[in-house]
Amino acid sequence: QVQLQESGPGLVKPSQTLSLTCTVSGGSISSAFYYWSWIRQPAGRGLEWIGRIYIGGGTNYNPSLKSRVTISVDTSKNHFSLRLSSVSAADTAVYFCAGTLAQGIIDFWGQGTQVTVSS
Amino acid sequence: EIVMTQSPATLSVSPGERATLSCRASQSVSINLAWYQQKPGQAPRLLIYHTSTRATGIPARFSGSGSGTEFTLTISSLQSEDSAVYYCQQYNNWPPWTFGQGTKVEIK
Repeated sequence: QVQLQESGPGLVKPSQTLSLTCTVSGGSISSAFYYWSWIRQPAGRGLEWIGRIYIGGGTNYNPSLKSRVTISVDTSKNHFSLRLSSVSAADTAVYFCAGTLAQGIIDFWGQGTQVTVSS
Repeated sequence: EIVMTQSPATLSVSPGERATLSCRASQSVSINLAWYQQKPGQAPRLLIYHTSTRATGIPARFSGSGSGTEFTLTISSLQSEDSAVYYCQQYNNWPPWTFGQGTKVEIK
């Protein structure tokens, strides 16, 4: 059974870059079945899709975040990463990594990690 | 961007009763709609995809219906463990795939 685990700093200063990693265990990140996604959830609010990456197929980003987001993958470490630049308090949220089928169905999720943007 | 609107915001239902949750899309998403369940402090879990197909291990009391812009999630006989927030998500139009704001189901 594939499991995902997010890791990274829980506190980021305004205007800096948020960096998170999602480690895939119990399966290969090179699987042809999955896109690897990042999704976030501000406290008490709904879910927002940040973007996705497909091994060998590139990336897609939410237009509202596209200018600040980079998602990358390291197949040798079986993990993928999120970088969000120029953060503000509005980027404070729980960040989830997820395995998604090509159509957009989110098959499994990491537990999520809280990131707070504050000086 | 397709806007997903869920109603009601909160639903209070007695154990054993039926719970009906609604999700409306701002434009047609065909049947490309999923439902997720999220309990406090946990990640969401896939319940239903393609409007009406239950994910692996999901009890038969959960069912979905609809097409186009109007969708429903029904819990036929509410159990205590069903207390959670339920989100709908469209995956017909990218970018981006979008979620509703959620319906909180409480046990009366």
